[in-house]
Amino acid sequence: AQSVTQLDSHVSVSEGTPVLLRCNYSSSYSPSLFWYVQHPNKGLQLLLKYTSAATLVKGINGFEAEFKKSETSFHLTKPSAHMSDAAEYFCVVNAPAGTALIFGKGTTLSVSS
Amino acid sequence: DARVTQTPRHKVTEMGQEVTMRCQPILGHNTVFWYRQTMMQGLELLAYFRNRAPLDDSGMPKDRFSAEMPDATLATLKIQPSEPRDSAVYFCASGLLGGMNTEAFFGQGTRLTVV
Repeated sequence: AQSVTQLDSHVSVSEGTPVLLRCNYSSSYSPSLFWYVQHPNKGLQLLLKYTSAATLVKGINGFEAEFKKSETSFHLTKPSAHMSDAAEYFCVVNAPAGTALIFGKGTTLSVSS
Repeated sequence: DARVTQTPRHKVTEMGQEVTMRCQPILGHNTVFWYRQTMMQGLELLAYFRNRAPLDDSGMPKDRFSAEMPDATLATLKIQPSEPRDSAVYFCASGLLGGMNTEAFFGQGTRLTVV
């Protein structure tokens, strides 16, 4: 079975400071991993994905994530937070490829000025 | 701009009534998912289809929920009878899954309130 664990339910940062949202996964297969973002009362938007190509993946809005197989992690980072980054972020695993997406519980990112 | 379209966006209904939610997946996508989002449980997979055939509906309460794909342009999720605990946001997602394609694209959701 596959699963993801988002290690923080809530992260608070100041505008202009780095963002780190942590995710660990468990999978019996080579996983595909994703980060989705959900702004209040909106649907889910794909930020970035890893599918066994480059381990450092760049996404939209300056976000990136690094796949570390030895640590079974896929942490999301951004060098400098913006107020518009405040949202709910979901780490997602899809393994084996083509099956259902399994979501983590989500991390709420708050950005203060 | 291709997108997944869900209707209605909001639905308030009385307990015991039938509720039908509709989803138009992105044209050409072969996989459709239904998820439910609540504060307590987060995002839960209810069911998903590949090429209109149900692959997994183990997350769905079978006694009151049903999901179908009458054709490639329409997926439906029905609750009969509805109960207050069904209040949630229901998301539909579609994707062209296979090979290196693994991501799904989500609709805006249907916010269901059962009173």
